[in-house]
Amino acid sequence: DAGITQSPRYKITETGRQVTLMCHQTWSHSYMFWYRQDLGHGLRLIYYSAAADITDKGEVPDGYVVSRSKTENFPLTLESATRSQTSVYFCASRSRDRGENYGYTFGSGTRLTVV
Amino acid sequence: RKEVEQDPGPFNVPEGATVAFNCTYSNSASQSFFWYRQDCRKEPKLLMSVYSSGNEDGRFTAQLNRASQYISLLIRDSKLSDSATYLCVVGSNFGNEKLTFGTGTRLTIIP
Repeated sequence: DAGITQSPRYKITETGRQVTLMCHQTWSHSYMFWYRQDLGHGLRLIYYSAAADITDKGEVPDGYVVSRSKTENFPLTLESATRSQTSVYFCASRSRDRGENYGYTFGSGTRLTVV
Repeated sequence: RKEVEQDPGPFNVPEGATVAFNCTYSNSASQSFFWYRQDCRKEPKLLMSVYSSGNEDGRFTAQLNRASQYISLLIRDSKLSDSATYLCVVGSNFGNEKLTFGTGTRLTIIP
């Protein structure tokens, strides 16, 4: 099905472990984003990508790594998970073209718990 | 000061009433404005863009005041299904695709 999908939906990991969250979109959108959402902070941008092989830091990039070798995939890796990275992670994408409502489309999120 | 500020609520409103939310933003260079809706434990979904001239979509009306740097959302004849968190979203400029999200205003429609 067309759209943007995230996996896994839920993940529990231990402190210090490396974990990768996957994001896949079928629209060939140029732009992709990773946000985390925490109570009291709202959605905060971790990393974003304007195209394959082009990534840039957002507001809270420390402890995260991204790559984008293909337009459709934008994985987010926590190199050594910490409890402060317990959060809901949302991936989003949007086209380079500007229509009337060109806002982001979000995936359904990954709930990550670091114990 | 936060880039995008909203009253967190909660707003508890009887069904059929009109409710209005305001949002302020700090970056005067902001160029794009949106309202998103987020249901509990779900992803945010675009509700509507906000244009300088104001725009309406059914029961929803959005207004932008650039001079005062605020955005508003009006919901008329509220329905139970309108219960959600409403996120005010601002984009900095057309060359930068990043959006900044407010923390949201929680709305509950009471039967």
